[in-house]
Amino acid sequence: RKEVEQDPGPFNVPEGATVAFNCTYSNSASQSFFWYRQDCRKEPKLLMSVYSSGNEDGRFTAQLNRASQYISLLIRDSKLSDSATYLCGVTYNTDKLIFGTGTRLQVFP
Amino acid sequence: DVKVTQSSRYLVKRTGEKVFLECVQDMDHENMFWYRQDPGLGLRLIYFSYDVKMKEKGDIPEGYSVSREKKERFSLILESASTNQTSMYLCASSSRGINYGYTFGSGTRLTVV
Repeated sequence: RKEVEQDPGPFNVPEGATVAFNCTYSNSASQSFFWYRQDCRKEPKLLMSVYSSGNEDGRFTAQLNRASQYISLLIRDSKLSDSATYLCGVTYNTDKLIFGTGTRLQVFP
Repeated sequence: DVKVTQSSRYLVKRTGEKVFLECVQDMDHENMFWYRQDPGLGLRLIYFSYDVKMKEKGDIPEGYSVSREKKERFSLILESASTNQTSMYLCASSSRGINYGYTFGSGTRLTVV
């Protein structure tokens, strides 16, 4: 079983839709959690950290479920510019981030 | 604006060549990392460093070495390039404790022919 798993997608959604991605992790000792956005042929860029209590940044909401060992990213009112690959990253007792392979989102008009 | 700078955006090298990929960060970060990214395999950690002159193997260190002589610079070396090392190479840095995640460089797309 992979340490961090994501549904590769693609998720094809119309503009204005709400879409959610999950990312599961295998190690219950995981400490820090992040969502990154990666555009085609570009580097990943930090979208948001994921806090235990959940956190929101505009149209984006991240949540952590330690009991079921997954994190989620919810995007409301999707824009065409949200089309990208979304990577989750998890650490275990070190500063090394282990990434999922990413979920591709395509927003269409 | 804080930055992680990778020396080359695209590189084409011949099989058997020694290849140097350079990464410089201006954020005074303690941690630096080298990943490669391949379709379907995601980001895989090659080597990382928590301090000057310190290095640790990641998940796929075979065929690579690294050097960190100064805090701001972390070099990845392909001792004898092979075609299976054709990939996107991404450097990243973070503060100790990784509270703010990584900052990535823009990547080097290496093709070995």
